[in-house]
Amino acid sequence: AQKITQTQPGMFVQEKEAVTLDCTYDTSDPSYGLFWYKQPSSGEMIFLIYQGSYDQQNATEGRYSLNFQKARKSANLVISASQLGDSAMYFCAMRERQGNNDMRFGAGTRLTVKP
Amino acid sequence: KAGVTQTPRYLIKTRGQQVTLSCSPISGHRSVSWYQQTPGQGLQFLFEYFSETQRNKGNFPGRFSGRQFSNSRSEMNVSTLELGDSALYLCASSLEPSGQWETQYFGPGTRLLVL
Repeated sequence: AQKITQTQPGMFVQEKEAVTLDCTYDTSDPSYGLFWYKQPSSGEMIFLIYQGSYDQQNATEGRYSLNFQKARKSANLVISASQLGDSAMYFCAMRERQGNNDMRFGAGTRLTVKP
Repeated sequence: KAGVTQTPRYLIKTRGQQVTLSCSPISGHRSVSWYQQTPGQGLQFLFEYFSETQRNKGNFPGRFSGRQFSNSRSEMNVSTLELGDSALYLCASSLEPSGQWETQYFGPGTRLLVL
């Protein structure tokens, strides 16, 4: 069963503007972690931000913040002040405490930043 | 601190051959996971190793195997290559094995093309 859903195959944003990339997830495990990764065309997956299911506050890392809405099972990534170098694929991922604990990834969103 | 390294970066093989990919984790990281990424299936978990033992395995045929050495370096092997094995193979390392809080850091990947 699909655990991570990213509904936006592609997104465009103007340079210096903010953009929100959507991610919803499905789990019955009360203990889980949510991750966002960036994958440029070179292929390497770059870790951006982490949110634990018990964290009270939304995670932030520089220009990245995670809009965590637990009841809605949503973990959207917000990128502020977009830069041309932000153009890449973005993946949402989840690890549960139960089961195999393997990291499950969404299909990804391709973000293009326009100058 | 050096990141995760993978060798080779690119590989071309023919059907029926076998291939071995190598991954060196971040210094101090003891857990190594492998993923296959294809346009059709996205990112799929292959297996995870910790302390030279396979802890988890994804839903892949037995042609896919791996191992981990005492220095935490890991190799994965694919025997009797098929056209569908063409993919980007990503290695990721973390300090400890599976856990909902463990962030995985990825290498640049090995692009395998099977002709």
